[in-house]
Amino acid sequence: QQQVKQSPQSLIVQKGGISIINCAYENTAFDYFPWYQQFPGKGPALLIAIRPDVSEKKEGRFTISFNKSAKQFSLHIMDSQPGDSATYFCAASYGGATNKLIFGTGTLLAVQP
Amino acid sequence: NAGVTQTPKFQVLKTGQSMTLQCAQDMNHEYMSWYRQDPGMGLRLIHYSVGAGITDQGEVPNGYNVSRSTTEDFPLRLLSAAPSQTSVYFCASSYNSAVGGGYTFGSGTRLTVV
Repeated sequence: QQQVKQSPQSLIVQKGGISIINCAYENTAFDYFPWYQQFPGKGPALLIAIRPDVSEKKEGRFTISFNKSAKQFSLHIMDSQPGDSATYFCAASYGGATNKLIFGTGTLLAVQP
Repeated sequence: NAGVTQTPKFQVLKTGQSMTLQCAQDMNHEYMSWYRQDPGMGLRLIHYSVGAGITDQGEVPNGYNVSRSTTEDFPLRLLSAAPSQTSVYFCASSYNSAVGGGYTFGSGTRLTVV
């Protein structure tokens, strides 16, 4: 049972375009929603995160949109660059005493020059 | 400040062998976790710890043991390796946060069981 569902599995975007990755969750106990970026041969690195009390968070070209009622959140990468080519994972954390972090299945993004 | 250090980086085991994957962090983080990464499956939580002496199971704990005797170290033991445990293993740590916090990941251990 996948607690965090992520789509699409792969994505090809032209340089300068907008990359959009979507995630959905079921458990309302999740209270922290990070996105991680992973380059080949490396560990995942925290990119941006949001808490459910806000609907949007922007850091540079990266924006998280959060819809609490729909239990969905998405990552938007504006002006996508070839250097953004990586695997992106959404995740959700229970927070509280456990801080357990559950991941989606990942999206392989290729930005073509 | 080394962050999260995992050793070894690569390992080949024969079916039935046991081994320990090492993980150490120098950030005084209370939370530590082990994940395995398989193609198309994302990162799946094996075991996690909320502090020294406290561990709990994640999504896929079977075949793995952990212990947390110190804040810094969180080793993962494979009791009797099976080909299904061929994977890339990541250790991660996080500070204590009442509402969840970002994890820092190590660079991974690539394990092959033949």
